[in-house]
Amino acid sequence: GAVVSQHPSWVICKSGTSVKIECRSLDFQATTMFWYRQFPKQSLMLMATSNEGSKATYEQGVEKDKFLINHASLTLSTLTVTSAHPEDSSFYICSARVFSGSGYEQYFGPGTRLTVT
Amino acid sequence: GENVEQHPSTLSVQEGDSAVIKCTYSDSASNYFPWYKQELGKRPQLIIDIRSNVGEKKDQRIAVTLNKTAKHFSLHITETQPEDSAVYFCAAGQTGANNLFFGTGTRLTVIP
Repeated sequence: GAVVSQHPSWVICKSGTSVKIECRSLDFQATTMFWYRQFPKQSLMLMATSNEGSKATYEQGVEKDKFLINHASLTLSTLTVTSAHPEDSSFYICSARVFSGSGYEQYFGPGTRLTVT
Repeated sequence: GENVEQHPSTLSVQEGDSAVIKCTYSDSASNYFPWYKQELGKRPQLIIDIRSNVGEKKDQRIAVTLNKTAKHFSLHITETQPEDSAVYFCAAGQTGANNLFFGTGTRLTVIP
């Protein structure tokens, strides 16, 4: 399957600071990437869809000014959590959409565990 | 929008037994149904998927069935092994569209 990397794997930051998370497709080009948030023992919640060269599409209830997404190239999308607060602590996972021949599939990055103190 | 429900939320089976996880969806336009396995602290991994032009798909010990009329699909794991222990998520979406809608997950525990 396609390989998606994410960096950093974990980060601890102080309240009020910003954190950038990178999502890379390593062996393919991804015009579309997705950012999810996952709380402990819960499902994946789609935050936004990131399209290369255009603005991200945010899901209802997700603040676009707080969660800045930039998809500047076909292999890189970034999520910046601005002015982070403890309630932003979560597991953030990106995925990339790949066309497999019979249709699109999604492959996930390893996730970034964010802790805001 | 699409609503995916998944049952059970937890499932314990003896090693060697079969495990079945069921999902229902609401949007009749959905035609792509992947299943993901997520081990603790790791990424969800695609283990099998089915598209609406088939009713069943099998890959070694795992199989997925789809009933489009009833809008439900199921994951079947036979001859379970301890390494099958994980959280399994079903999802539904449309081929070519962006969004996948995920179920709430099933925590499978295989008891040696």
